[in-house]
Amino acid sequence: EVQMVESGGGLVQPGGSLRLSCATSGFSFSSYWMSWVRQAPGKGLEWVANIKQDGSEIYYVDSVKGRFTISRDTGKSSLYLQMNRLRVEDTAVYYCARGGNWWDQWGHGTLVTVPS
Amino acid sequence: SYELTQPPSVSVSPGQSARITCSGDALPKRYAYWYQQRSGQAPVLVMYEDNKRPSGIPERFSGSSSGTMATLTISGTQVEDEADYYCYSTDSSGDRRVFGGGTKLTVL
Repeated sequence: EVQMVESGGGLVQPGGSLRLSCATSGFSFSSYWMSWVRQAPGKGLEWVANIKQDGSEIYYVDSVKGRFTISRDTGKSSLYLQMNRLRVEDTAVYYCARGGNWWDQWGHGTLVTVPS
Repeated sequence: SYELTQPPSVSVSPGQSARITCSGDALPKRYAYWYQQRSGQAPVLVMYEDNKRPSGIPERFSGSSSGTMATLTISGTQVEDEADYYCYSTDSSGDRRVFGGGTKLTVL
């Protein structure tokens, strides 16, 4: 059974940092692109970043470029998102998702709150 | 910037067919994908590459795409199908990954 469990969310002041983690199991992590997708409270879905199997290709949505860094650890079958210089508009549930350009498995998400 | 347009809401009676549309200029060239999100839960893929149904998704879910519009159809809609549905695709270059605004399906 595929399992993807996010952690690391919480309350952080504007300008602060947070590191999200996604621990996976039940599939060959090294064979898949991986992504982060977020959803602001009461809003729709927004793709944030993705990373190729070997980390050689990485892409970000424009709004997080230069502030967020996606990474992965094949040995730990884990995906990460380092978020720096956080803004109020980064408040969202962050989902770990399997795939690069579309996603067939999702974690349950972790909430990041940046208060105004 | 590229946009996918969905109706904000669709209502259907149990047992009837529900059709949710998604309009985008690049859809003639790009696949559409559909995600179901029940209240408080993570999204679930219900259709990929316009009309392919993932394993475990009931046969009452079907997809189609023609021109600039993709459609998710739920035949014999059940109460458990009540959820938000999001279409997803990319722009013509494949660089921009975009979700539609979502359609709230009410089954009553």
